[in-house]
Amino acid sequence: DVKVTQSSRYLVKRTGEKVFLECVQDMDHENMFWYRQDPGLGLRLIYFSYDVKMKEKGDIPEGYSVSREKKERFSLILESASTNQTSMYLCASTQAGGRGNEQFFGPGTRLTVL
Amino acid sequence: KQEVTQIPAALSVPEGENLVLNCSFTDSAIYNLQWFRQDPGKGLTSLLLIQSSQREQTSGRLNASLDKSSGRSTLYIAASQPGDSATYLCAVVNDYKLSFGAGTTVTVRA
Repeated sequence: DVKVTQSSRYLVKRTGEKVFLECVQDMDHENMFWYRQDPGLGLRLIYFSYDVKMKEKGDIPEGYSVSREKKERFSLILESASTNQTSMYLCASTQAGGRGNEQFFGPGTRLTVL
Repeated sequence: KQEVTQIPAALSVPEGENLVLNCSFTDSAIYNLQWFRQDPGKGLTSLLLIQSSQREQTSGRLNASLDKSSGRSTLYIAASQPGDSATYLCAVVNDYKLSFGAGTTVTVRA
């Protein structure tokens, strides 16, 4: 079974702090994704990566950056956290071909910025 | 831009009743469509993936249909159980990006 893990289930940070959210997948998937999920707005794509050191902006990249130094790990960085970044963050991965684009999700990190 | 709509937003049924969840999308040039389940405060669990060339996909009590030309998919859950209570999300893939609906929250009453 594909396993996608996220470093924290719950995180509380202060405004202005630098925040790192880590995601690791164990199935050698090429593509990895970061989403945020908010009530009434659904899931929105922040960034995705289709290879090591490669990244593309999603629909809402402002205020975020990402890092992918190894194939299995994709990090989301909040350079200076703000209260409007309080949200549930979900990481996902998928292989580039084969079965197509079935995405597998991690358990999520609920981030609260005070 | 792809828009995905799920109706109804919430559904409450007695145990044993069949569930019908609807998903519509505006751009029919999709690669595939995926149905997910989400329990409160948790991540998403993939239920079914339908490739664009397929009309339906089945797994146990779950059956999902896809009509690309009309931009619709339906998830059927037979003989619902209280454990089926969750939010169900559909998502369509254009290239490798997912566009999600807002979900249908299902409550199955014992």
